Amino acid sequence: AQTVTQSQPEMSVQEAETVTLSCTYDTSESNYYLFWYKQPPSRQMILVIRQEAYKQQNATENRFSVNFQKAAKSFSLKISDSQLGDTAMYFCAFMRNYGGSQGNLIFGKGTKLSVKP
Amino acid sequence: NAGVMQNPRHLVRRRGQEARLRCSPMKGHSHVYWYRQLPEEGLKFMVYLQKENIIDESGMPKERFSAEFPKEGPSILRIQQVVRGDSAAYFCASSAPTFKAERDTDTQYFGPGTRLTVL
Repeated sequence: AQTVTQSQPEMSVQEAETVTLSCTYDTSESNYYLFWYKQPPSRQMILVIRQEAYKQQNATENRFSVNFQKAAKSFSLKISDSQLGDTAMYFCAFMRNYGGSQGNLIFGKGTKLSVKP
Repeated sequence: NAGVMQNPRHLVRRRGQEARLRCSPMKGHSHVYWYRQLPEEGLKFMVYLQKENIIDESGMPKERFSAEFPKEGPSILRIQQVVRGDSAAYFCASSAPTFKAERDTDTQYFGPGTRLTVL
């Protein structure tokens, strides 16, 4: 069974600085996807970034980037130039790639990020 | 382009009553997933449906819980004879059919959730 571990329950960062959130996962699959979702106080789940396991290049979306280390099964999220609106719970998630069909997400327990002015 | 819609946003039920949670997927999406989030926890998968079919219900409790996604209308998650332990946020997500040549057919987009409180 796949598991996702986020070892940092809480983190804080000063506005405009950079922060990295950690995520490790365990799987015997070779083909899968990894995601970071953000859940602000409104509790809406918002997709931040996605990564296909077969791609060696790390995904980036504006101020958000990942460090994907497939051999180490590590998938960290870096937030640059942190903004107050980045304050949220961040969830790392894993999904098997069934070769074109769909699958469910397996989530970590989350990291609560506070951005301080 | 409306996102995933869920209603109600908040639902209060007394023990023993029934709870019905509704989810309308994004336009063009035919895959629906239900997840449950207990306080201070991550989301846990419950069930995956396509139109008129349950694809994977491995995360559903064996009793009192059921889900459907009819040909017409929203997906429904039904909880019979609710107990206090059912109090949680229930999220629905949708994704596009795999035959669509879109980059993110494997990406799930979430609704705002329904917060169920059982008194």
